[in-house]
Amino acid sequence: GAVVSQHPSRVICKSGTSVKIECRSLDFQATTMFWYRQFPKQSLMLMATSNEGSKATYEQGVEKDKFLINHASLTLSTLTVTSAHPEDSSFYICSAQTYSNQPQHFGDGTRLSIL
Amino acid sequence: AQTVTQSQPEMSVQEAETVTLSCTYDTSESDYYLFWYKQPPSRQMILVIRQEAYKQQNATENRFSVNFQKAAKSFSLKISDSQLGDAAMYFCAYRSGEYNFNKFYFGSGTKLNVKP
Repeated sequence: GAVVSQHPSRVICKSGTSVKIECRSLDFQATTMFWYRQFPKQSLMLMATSNEGSKATYEQGVEKDKFLINHASLTLSTLTVTSAHPEDSSFYICSAQTYSNQPQHFGDGTRLSIL
Repeated sequence: AQTVTQSQPEMSVQEAETVTLSCTYDTSESDYYLFWYKQPPSRQMILVIRQEAYKQQNATENRFSVNFQKAAKSFSLKISDSQLGDAAMYFCAYRSGEYNFNKFYFGSGTKLNVKP
């Protein structure tokens, strides 16, 4: 149980392209989903927290207009990197949890490469 | 803000041996949760073990156990009978049980190598 699916697993695109990443909880309802960014050989950096039906809460330093997050249902959250540039290249990981005292379950991550 | 420190960037262990990964954290809260996550080369984060701060008993999951020292704010992970499949990055994580209890704070990670 507690499977989180993230799609796509890898994206390579040109600078200026907008990229959408999906995060789905397959066998549970996720009241909260999280988006992380991970640079090579570094830890996960929380970008934003999203609760179903409400606006995402962004961490300090994360551009809201750059990283659009939508959490339209209890099983789906999307992260859209708008007008992506090479510096946006990174590994993006989502996680989901049912209730606040439960562990987060992570997706497999998306490797984004902007040329 | 809470901080999580993993002072060992990389460690190695012989297959079938035991290894301990260190983690310390800084908090003023009394109610919180601690986790160890494993990230293999496939990059998926996998929950290894969790500990509730209010529990004095150390958590155990098969070959994985923790040494939780609340006063010292230490939360080490012991892997017994190490297997080749244990090779991965291990992240220690803290989550508040009081304020903003959804947010995780991760350590910088320890890369574990398992030698055959």
